[in-house]
Amino acid sequence: DTAVSQTPKYLVTQMGNDKSIKCEQNLGHDTMYWYKQDSKKFLKIMFSYNNKELIINETVPNRFSPKSPDKAHLNLHINSLELGDSAVYFCASSHRGGSDTQYFGPGTRLTVL
Amino acid sequence: ELKVEQNPLFLSMQEGKNYTIYCNYSTTSDRLYWYRQDPGKSLESLFVLLSNGAVKQEGRLMASLDTKARLSTLHITAAVHDLSATYFCAVDFQGAQKLVFGQGTRLTINP
Repeated sequence: DTAVSQTPKYLVTQMGNDKSIKCEQNLGHDTMYWYKQDSKKFLKIMFSYNNKELIINETVPNRFSPKSPDKAHLNLHINSLELGDSAVYFCASSHRGGSDTQYFGPGTRLTVL
Repeated sequence: ELKVEQNPLFLSMQEGKNYTIYCNYSTTSDRLYWYRQDPGKSLESLFVLLSNGAVKQEGRLMASLDTKARLSTLHITAAVHDLSATYFCAVDFQGAQKLVFGQGTRLTINP
């Protein structure tokens, strides 16, 4: 049983392109998150949504736009990709925001050439 | 500022030895988590520590929390190769509505 799933697992693209990453959780959680993990393994939150409502937007460039069509899905769209966007992006979910264990998806490795 | 610092960042040790990873954080927290990440994989939750003096153990790993010192430790007993991974602590600071992660400790256990 997949708890938090992401697609695609790998994404290789050229600078300037627009791409999307999809995330779905079947845990019945209310809160979902996007994290960015850089090449040094540092993990930083980008966004969180609670029941489709944006809760946290951590000074992320507005080229990044999350969308939550329902509480089981949180997608990430990135416009005008830059070299510095290369990273692993993790989706996560928790029962409630901030105060419950977060369960992470498998990650999407984005490489911008 | 909400900061979480782990020490050491890299740790290479031999099987059978004991060692401790330290996690310091900057201000009052509600909860502290330890996660494990294998190379190229996702993060797996190991422990959640809720209150001062909390201690949790699973196999060769034991985590503890001292909220007064703002310190958590992850102790590895009689290490085995399978424990090689990167370990992260993450803090749920009061009122922050998010987890702040430490830099991670890359643990390598050699036969």
